[in-house]
Amino acid sequence: DQQVKQNSPSLSVQEGRISILNCDYTNSMFDYFLWYKKYPAEGPTFLISISSIKDKNEDGRFTVFLNKSAKHLSLHIVPSQPGDSAVYFCAASAGAQKLVFGQGTRLTINP
Amino acid sequence: DSGVTQTPKHLITATGQRVTLRCSPRSGDLSVYWYQQSLDQGLQFLIQYYNGEERAKGNILERFSAQQFPDLHSELNLSSLELGDSALYFCASSLGTGSGNDEQYFGPGTRLTVT
Repeated sequence: DQQVKQNSPSLSVQEGRISILNCDYTNSMFDYFLWYKKYPAEGPTFLISISSIKDKNEDGRFTVFLNKSAKHLSLHIVPSQPGDSAVYFCAASAGAQKLVFGQGTRLTINP
Repeated sequence: DSGVTQTPKHLITATGQRVTLRCSPRSGDLSVYWYQQSLDQGLQFLIQYYNGEERAKGNILERFSAQQFPDLHSELNLSSLELGDSALYFCASSLGTGSGNDEQYFGPGTRLTVT
């Protein structure tokens, strides 16, 4: 049972434009959501998070939006830069810090 | 550099064998987590330890076991290895506060290949 789903395995965006990565979840007990970024041969690195009591969190070029009624999460990157090319994982937890990860979306930023 | 170290980086072994993966958490972190990432899959949570005690268990096979030592480093033992165990194994650590913003920091992973 895939509780966290990233339905787009890959996404290609022009440099300078907005990248939007999407994530859906099924478990209504999730109360904390995170995005991780992963480069090849490295472990995932934390990017940005949002608590279920908020609907938006912004950090520089990165903004995460949470729509609890739709059980949908999205990550906006604007403007997109070549260094943003990586695999992005959405993750969720229900208080006990056991993270449930999506399958990842490979983002490619084209110059 | 996340501050989490994992050894070895690569491991090639045969079916039926047993291996041990090692993880040293960030300084000050009490929780250690193990994840498995198979080809084209997301990270699957295996197990969490907090200050030497098992705290949470995920989809960990009975052939796999883990422990956290008094110095807080952790080892993941994989036995009776099968071809399907070939994967990237990540360790992560956190302070272990149990709150939602207790962010996990990941090591570079150990790539296990079973032939």
